[in-house]
Amino acid sequence: DIQMTQSPSTLSASVGDRVTITCRASHDISSWLAWYQQKPGKAPKLLISKTSNLESGVPSRFSGSGSGTEFTLTISSLQSDDFATYYCQQYNTYLFTFGPGTKVDIK
Amino acid sequence: EVQLAESGGGLIQSGGSLRLSCAASGFIVSSNYMIWVRQAPGKGLEWVAVIYSGGSTYSADSVQGRFSISRDNSKNTLYLQMNSLRAEDTAVYYCASPVSSDAFDIWGQGTMVTVSS
Repeated sequence: DIQMTQSPSTLSASVGDRVTITCRASHDISSWLAWYQQKPGKAPKLLISKTSNLESGVPSRFSGSGSGTEFTLTISSLQSDDFATYYCQQYNTYLFTFGPGTKVDIK
Repeated sequence: EVQLAESGGGLIQSGGSLRLSCAASGFIVSSNYMIWVRQAPGKGLEWVAVIYSGGSTYSADSVQGRFSISRDNSKNTLYLQMNSLRAEDTAVYYCASPVSSDAFDIWGQGTMVTVSS
């Protein structure tokens, strides 16, 4: 099975900060990595697919990079709407494993 | 409009059964692979099961042998049959599908399942 880890688990930041979240896979998943944003009581929202493809309608301050086993999600200038929990997900195999999540809250 | 709508959740006693439905509109469920994902209260996302367009199915170890995923093409609906429910199955259950992306861009609103012991 592929295990996914994320760091940090919680991140306190201010509006305007540059934020980076790291996701690691226990095995090579090539570029089959997605990032989701989830707000309380809401379904996850797809931000980035295949490591770095920004989904339609997602602000350009979000970007993704990496390959193999290490990936990052970067928010170039944090906005008030970005305070949420972020999950990575591998879809290289049918197990579709999610990372444990990173909560971005207000500093 | 492309959307998914789950139903069928509720309060059920431990050991009981429940069937969740996920009605799709704006796309054909049999043309995509679809998954169920759950989220226990205050916890992260957990993949539960997948059904591929060809009909192959897989499920997580935590639900293997108890849950089964299926679809009814005539109703354009996905299902999750949940048997032998346990307290640890208490969660919001979401269905999702990759429609305009190769990752899961379409999600339902979720349906809550509460298993009482």
